[in-house]
Amino acid sequence: DIVLTQSPDSLAVSLGERATISCKSSQSVNCLGWYQQRPGQPPNLLIFRTSTRKSGVPDRFSGSGSGTDFTLTINSLQADDVAVYYCQQCYAAPRTFGPGTKVEIK
Amino acid sequence: QVHLQESGPGLVKSSETLSLTCVVSGDSISDYNWWTWVRQTPGKGLEWVGEIFQTGKTNYSPSLKSRVTISVDRSMNHLSLTLTSVTAADTATYYCASTYMSSGSYRLDHWGQGIRVTVSS
Repeated sequence: DIVLTQSPDSLAVSLGERATISCKSSQSVNCLGWYQQRPGQPPNLLIFRTSTRKSGVPDRFSGSGSGTDFTLTINSLQADDVAVYYCQQCYAAPRTFGPGTKVEIK
Repeated sequence: QVHLQESGPGLVKSSETLSLTCVVSGDSISDYNWWTWVRQTPGKGLEWVGEIFQTGKTNYSPSLKSRVTISVDRSMNHLSLTLTSVTAADTATYYCASTYMSSGSYRLDHWGQGIRVTVSS
């Protein structure tokens, strides 16, 4: 199985500041997405194909990376962005998820 | 807009079989080429359970492969998940998700609200 690790496990960011989440894969993948899960809610797709935002997702969310190293950046953090963020590789089944990064307001 | 709703027992006894259904409304289940089940154990992260293609081809998590079956019933517009010989480790919230996968692009577009399943001894 392809193993994804995320860092940090959690981070607290001031409103309006930037949050950066790293996702590293145990092998090179050419397909990665990011999901946001707010408390008590199902996950919600933010980014697919590494850097393509799902329709309706604010442009303060951006994805980048390649190979084994990927990043989700949230610019100008809003209160509504408090959530756990997961990366998922879609290169091969099982399409594993990272362990998640919890984003809070400082 | 497609709507997904998981249903099934909220409590299952250890060693028995868990059967869940995901009812698709607002769209035809055949309009999506793949369907996926994901589960989330209490306070933990997401675990990919498996997926089914419109032809019936399936892929399962190796850790569950011997016990899990995913199927689609187009006449009822729903998909199903069956998990045999459950243990406490199978206690989780189970989600179904519509899946688009083609030429390097993959997304779990729409998710159900999830159903919480507890395995009791």
